[in-house]
Amino acid sequence: SQTIHQWPATLVQPVGSPLSLECTVEGTSNPNLYWYRQAAGRGLQLLFYSVGIGQISSEVPQNLSASRPQDRQFILSSKKLLLSDSGFYLCAWSGGLGNTIYFGEGSWLTVV
Amino acid sequence: EDKVVQSPLSLVVHEGDTVTLNCSYEVTNFRSLLWYKQEKKAPTFLFMLTSSGIEKKSGRLSSILDKKELFSILNITATQTGDSAVYLCASLRSGNNRLAFGKGNQVVVIP
Repeated sequence: SQTIHQWPATLVQPVGSPLSLECTVEGTSNPNLYWYRQAAGRGLQLLFYSVGIGQISSEVPQNLSASRPQDRQFILSSKKLLLSDSGFYLCAWSGGLGNTIYFGEGSWLTVV
Repeated sequence: EDKVVQSPLSLVVHEGDTVTLNCSYEVTNFRSLLWYKQEKKAPTFLFMLTSSGIEKKSGRLSSILDKKELFSILNITATQTGDSAVYLCASLRSGNNRLAFGKGNQVVVIP
């Protein structure tokens, strides 16, 4: 069966520091991969999605970036965090167009 | 821009009550509507609805889609305290796999 893992689960970072959140999927090949953010009191916002290695689409302008160095690995990064980057970050995957999207455990980021 | 609106945003019920959650959508090239349950962590998948008028059931939860009126409802019967959560509705477009989420229905079930 397919599983998705992301880490770290929780982190507290100072403003201006770098960020790296990692996500891996097991049990499937060539998944569609996604990064979502959920800010307090707001809905889930799609940040990036990827349909293959090296193929990244950005949904909103921001100081975050994403990379997909391997088929089942998706990384969310920032060179310099802002206070407004605080939130709950979720990695997700799907098996292809029209398929259900499944979420990882999530990462709580607090920028101080 | 895709729009998904859920109502009510929050409600408190007693154990044993029935809950009906609403989700309306305005989506270009609509394909499916999905419901998720979120309890402090990541959302867990409940239902995917693609066809109009066909009810999907899982235990005490059921959901149906009306593609003419552009809405879906999620019903929870004989609620239990474990049903306390935020229920998220999301629309899925044809041609890509981008989900547009509503803000959620927060349900609190008290004993």
